[in-house]
Amino acid sequence: QVQLQESGPGLVKPSQTLSLTCTVSGDSISSSDSYYWSWIRQSAGKGLEWIGRIYISGSTNYNPSLKSRVTISLDTSKNQFSLKLSSVTAADTAVYFCARLQTFCPGGTCYSGPVEYWGQGTLVTVSS
Amino acid sequence: DIQMTQSPSTLSASVGDRVSITCRASQSISSWLAWYQQKPGKAPKLLIYKASSLESGVPSRFSGSGSGTEFTLTISSLQPDDFAAYYCQQYNSYPYTFGQGTKLEIK
Repeated sequence: QVQLQESGPGLVKPSQTLSLTCTVSGDSISSSDSYYWSWIRQSAGKGLEWIGRIYISGSTNYNPSLKSRVTISLDTSKNQFSLKLSSVTAADTAVYFCARLQTFCPGGTCYSGPVEYWGQGTLVTVSS
Repeated sequence: DIQMTQSPSTLSASVGDRVSITCRASQSISSWLAWYQQKPGKAPKLLIYKASSLESGVPSRFSGSGSGTEFTLTISSLQPDDFAAYYCQQYNSYPYTFGQGTKLEIK
């Protein structure tokens, strides 16, 4: 059974960097059956918002609305992946979810699909 | 970005009712659409993928249909556990986008 757990500060000051880590259990991020891993957030104002995804190769895709401020990275030795969002404002206050995406690889090229597994979510508030 | 529009925003129904929720995409997404159920304080749960494929473990009273720009989630006979929020999501192109949600409440 795959489980994901977010961790990180629940309160971040404006203009600082939000940093979250997702610890994966029940699956190896670097296994031969590789998946895409993702961050998604949910706020009252914007609903569910896809932040970005990363593959075992290190390849990333980010939401253009956040691209200049977002970095998603992997730490295979710890079976974790992380999110950094810089220059935060109150608009970045949200519940942040980490997730494993459905992944399929026809002909050797891999594509991602919807979220198969979600973390429980962690509320991050941006406030001074 | 592809805009996803759900209707209605709120739906009141009774146990045993058959209900449908519609999701419209601002451009064609083929069948690359998923439906999720979310209960308060919990992460969403995948119900349907590729527009009409039922995720493992999801009751057969849930079904999805549609392609291109118009999609429907149908619950054939509402159970007490089904009162929740429902979201559609397109994964045809980046950035993946979600509908604004439909709250299914007890009449």
